[in-house]
Amino acid sequence: GAGVSQSPSNKVTEKGKDVELRCDPISGHTALYWYRQSLGQGLEFLIYFQGNSAPDKSGLPSDRFSAERTGGSVSTLTIQRTQQEDSAVYLCASSPDGASNQPQHFGDGTRLSIL
Amino acid sequence: AQSVTQPDIHITVSEGASLELRCNYSYGATPYLFWYVQSPGQGLQLLLKYFSGDTLVQGIKGFEAEFKRSQSSFNLRKPSVHWSDAAEYFCAVGATGGSYIPTFGRGTSLIVHP
Repeated sequence: GAGVSQSPSNKVTEKGKDVELRCDPISGHTALYWYRQSLGQGLEFLIYFQGNSAPDKSGLPSDRFSAERTGGSVSTLTIQRTQQEDSAVYLCASSPDGASNQPQHFGDGTRLSIL
Repeated sequence: AQSVTQPDIHITVSEGASLELRCNYSYGATPYLFWYVQSPGQGLQLLLKYFSGDTLVQGIKGFEAEFKRSQSSFNLRKPSVHWSDAAEYFCAVGATGGSYIPTFGRGTSLIVHP
């Protein structure tokens, strides 16, 4: 497809387990963002990738969260030793080059539930 | 730092009624402004955007928004709401000041009564 693809769409796991969430941005988009959306809340910025530059990790809530982007395309968000408060929808978005006048293109998110 | 305020957490309207969702921003210059819609179980979809020029912008699905510099507002409107418009609506300001991170409002949940 031509849009941002995220997998899995749903993930249920036990507290303490590690999880990996995947994002496939629109082809050619160099800017990639991860957000967290807790129930009834707005978007919480997590991390931003732009091309081959060092990512902006300023939104990651703890050192249990990490992300990488391989080859400037697919990104993986990893949460280690999951906690119940990590339960949320994780959204990925991309834009052509991160310019402030560019709208973001969002995937449908991964709904993460920690038991 | 810039900020975006959506004062209404929930809005309830009857189908066929008009709609206005409020958005106020805080930024020294004219920012790039966006409205997104999020249907249940989906990501955010762009409704419309404002950069400069005509302060009334048209978007998809019959929505429009008006930029008012004097009020630092960018309110979203629709003359006649359909049941399918029930969703979460987010106002956003494009990244400024060297940042690449846009600022989103907390969202307004639209409930449509038949």
